Amino acid sequence: DTGVSQDPRHKITKRGQNVTFRCDPISEHNRLYWYRQTLGQGPEFLTYFQNEAQLEKSRLLSDRFSAERPKGSFSTLEIQRTEQGDSAMYLCASSLGDQVGEQYFGPGTRLTVT
Amino acid sequence: AQSVAQPEDQVNVAEGNPLTVKCTYSVSGNPYLFWYVQYPNRGLQFLLKYITGDNLVKGSYGFEAEFNKSQTSFHLKKPSALVSDSALYFCAVRDGYGGSQGNLIFGKGTKLSVKP
Repeated sequence: DTGVSQDPRHKITKRGQNVTFRCDPISEHNRLYWYRQTLGQGPEFLTYFQNEAQLEKSRLLSDRFSAERPKGSFSTLEIQRTEQGDSAMYLCASSLGDQVGEQYFGPGTRLTVT
Repeated sequence: AQSVAQPEDQVNVAEGNPLTVKCTYSVSGNPYLFWYVQYPNRGLQFLLKYITGDNLVKGSYGFEAEFNKSQTSFHLKKPSALVSDSALYFCAVRDGYGGSQGNLIFGKGTKLSVKP
């Protein structure tokens, strides 16, 4: 399967712990996006990379959140000092080329903060 | 500010009947419009997009969507619904003018239920 993959698929953590998620985009895609989806809502944009450069961050991305894409390949999203409000599905997507290309989504990582 | 509205939380259709899932948008420039479908425990799947050109766009699985600039709408349609079409459908938009570099603004989603 050459689609977008995410790891882990599920993560349960206690409040105050740090968590890290990984996303592997489709190999030739230069753009990578992170979104967050809560129950009953559509995905909300968090941040975007073109190759290894992080070009845009949403106001939703507080200073407890950090994302990287070393070497322009896979990406990681880290949440420090997790809060119950961080419980959500975290989605990764990738696309090729310009800004009108469709984005291909991974299956998501479901985070539950207890 | 860019926004998308999906006015119906749920749409119920009998198998074999035509279906329509509604979407309206607001952007400052020319819109780029997308439809995605989400099945349980699976990621969002791309169905179709409108960038420019013909107002009727055809996509995957027999779906199509009609872009209407005057009504700022991009409704998803299918002539004959299948039970397997039952899923959550999301409309998304991004502004064609500068600004953001490609992130999508999604609606809240519409649950489509097709009964046999």
